[in-house]
Amino acid sequence: QKEVEQNSGPLSVPEGAIASLNCTYSDRGSQSFFWYRQYSGKSPELIMFIYSNGDKEDGRFTAQLNKASQYVSLLIRDSQPSDSATYLCAPYEGNYQLIWGAGTKLIIKP
Amino acid sequence: NAGVTQTPKFQVLKTGQSMTLQCAQDMNHNSMYWYRQDPGMGLRLIYYSASEGTTDKGEVPNGYNVSRLNKREFSLRLESAAPSQTSVYFCASSEGNTPDTQYFGPGTRLTVL
Repeated sequence: QKEVEQNSGPLSVPEGAIASLNCTYSDRGSQSFFWYRQYSGKSPELIMFIYSNGDKEDGRFTAQLNKASQYVSLLIRDSQPSDSATYLCAPYEGNYQLIWGAGTKLIIKP
Repeated sequence: NAGVTQTPKFQVLKTGQSMTLQCAQDMNHNSMYWYRQDPGMGLRLIYYSASEGTTDKGEVPNGYNVSRLNKREFSLRLESAAPSQTSVYFCASSEGNTPDTQYFGPGTRLTVL
């Protein structure tokens, strides 16, 4: 059974601070990793994906991947109240399928 | 450009009733997906269609059927609804490449009494 583990939270971070969201996965064959954001009552929307070990930056967001440790993280710099949402980690397992974590609820406090 | 659209947005059924959830995308995507999302759980794949004319089972296909009507449309049918099928249903589409970004519709909130 392929699994994706995320701390359900809620993770509370002060406005302007760095939010760090973590994800571990069981499938060593996963090569690509997606981060989605889901506001309450809304559908998931893509933040970014990463497929190489190391860091990938996109604006205030940085994804970090360590395939040897089967660990992927998402950092949000200068956190804003609008970043308050649930963040979903999803490794790509091949055959058109993503394995979805249950998500971490992030709360940014003004 | 509406992206992925789903109908209806809300639906209440009685046990044993049937219904079809409709999904359409206007991005010329090859692949389409149906997920369900239950509280505290990740998205679970019900069925997917890698390309027009093909459909395959996902993680939780029991109690559901799908039809890929054409490249744009992918419907999900519940033949005999059960309370365990109370959930939020999302349709998604993607180009069908690797790695492959999936784009989601707004969802259908289904309650089965």
